[in-house]
Amino acid sequence: GAVVSQHPSRVICKSGTSVKIECRSLDFQATTMFWYRQFPKQSLMLMATSNEGSKATYEQGVEKDKFLINHASLTLSTLTVTSAHPEDSSFYICSASWDRGDVQYFGPGTRLLVL
Amino acid sequence: DAKTTQPNSMESNEEEPVHLPCNHSTISGTDYIHWYRQLPSQGPEYVIHGLTSNVNNRMASLAIAEDRKSSTLILHRATLRDAAVYYCILRDVTGGGADGLTFGKGTHLIIQP
Repeated sequence: GAVVSQHPSRVICKSGTSVKIECRSLDFQATTMFWYRQFPKQSLMLMATSNEGSKATYEQGVEKDKFLINHASLTLSTLTVTSAHPEDSSFYICSASWDRGDVQYFGPGTRLLVL
Repeated sequence: DAKTTQPNSMESNEEEPVHLPCNHSTISGTDYIHWYRQLPSQGPEYVIHGLTSNVNNRMASLAIAEDRKSSTLILHRATLRDAAVYYCILRDVTGGGADGLTFGKGTHLIIQP
């Protein structure tokens, strides 16, 4: 099956710093990648959709200047949390799809803790 | 997006079949029914999807009601590894895969040894 990886798996940072999370599709070319966030005991919430070579589309309430998304190639998308604060601590999960995108393949997630 | 309704939790015994229900009374003709599951501290995992006919794969079966207003995910022989939150999600095929998934609260499946 299609494999999506994320790096790092967990990161701890100080308040005010920036953190970059990578999402890679290992064995397929992803025409679309998605970024989700999941707070404890809650469900996944879509943050943004990105297509290779174009600007990401952000969901309502998600600050595009705070959560920078770059989808430079068909196998790599990055999410940078800029000036992170404790309330940004969460589980960040990416997914990728190809062709008509009937199915999304998810990465293992990145757990971010901002102190 | 059309809404789905699932029980908050269900419990089953190991090596027994599990039937996970999902109601989607406002489903449209172009909505596929997708099921994903999320094991603890992991990203979600695709399970199965279908439009009208029942579907089978190596993980599970999907039984879709004739009026499509409900569906049931069937795990034929549950193992402890099947303990997860199961999400029933409607996905409009006309979107061409460009849209993200809308996750509800899902069903927390507990498997007893």
